[in-house]
Amino acid sequence: EIVLTQSPATLSLSPGERATLSCRASQSVSSHLAWYQQKPGQAPRLLIYNASNRATGIPARFSGSGSATDFTLTIGSLEPEDFAIYYCQQRSNWPIPFGQGTRLEIK
Amino acid sequence: QVQLVESGGGVVQPGGSLRLSCAASGFTFNTYGMHWVRQAPGKGLEWVTFIRYDGSNEYYADSVKGRFTISRDNSKNTLFLQMNSLRAEDTAVYYCAKDCRSGGCNYYIDVWGKGTTVTVSS
Repeated sequence: EIVLTQSPATLSLSPGERATLSCRASQSVSSHLAWYQQKPGQAPRLLIYNASNRATGIPARFSGSGSATDFTLTIGSLEPEDFAIYYCQQRSNWPIPFGQGTRLEIK
Repeated sequence: QVQLVESGGGVVQPGGSLRLSCAASGFTFNTYGMHWVRQAPGKGLEWVTFIRYDGSNEYYADSVKGRFTISRDNSKNTLFLQMNSLRAEDTAVYYCAKDCRSGGCNYYIDVWGKGTTVTVSS
């Protein structure tokens, strides 16, 4: 089973700053990686799929990059509504687990 | 609009069984794969299982393999999760979720239900 490790566990930033979140896979997943955002009390929302494709309705400040085992989610300039938990997920091989998440909190 | 409504959650004793249902509407259910994802209290997301649009294949997380069974009734636009031999660590909110499918998005999740809570406790 492929294991996804996200870092850091918690990221403390201020609105307007740039956020960089990492997801590392235990073996290559090619570009088969997605990013989700989850706010308290809500279901997750798909942000990025296939490493770099924004899902429908996702603002341009969200971007994804990477391939094989190392991936990055970048939020260009943080808005107050961006403070949430972010998860990566791979679909290269079954099962298709999530990473453990990165909490993005207001500094 | 696309809607997924889970039901069937509750409190069950260790070793017991529970069957979750998910009523789907607003899309052509029989053309989409479907997932169950769970989230234990205060914890992260855990992908549980997936079933193809026609029920021809199923995939499971190792943690539930042999205990949980996913199924669907396309005539009733309903997804199920039969959970047997339940353990305390199965306590979680269980989300029904729709496969993204379009534009190379297969096997990712683009729509989630609000979830149903399962508590395994004596």
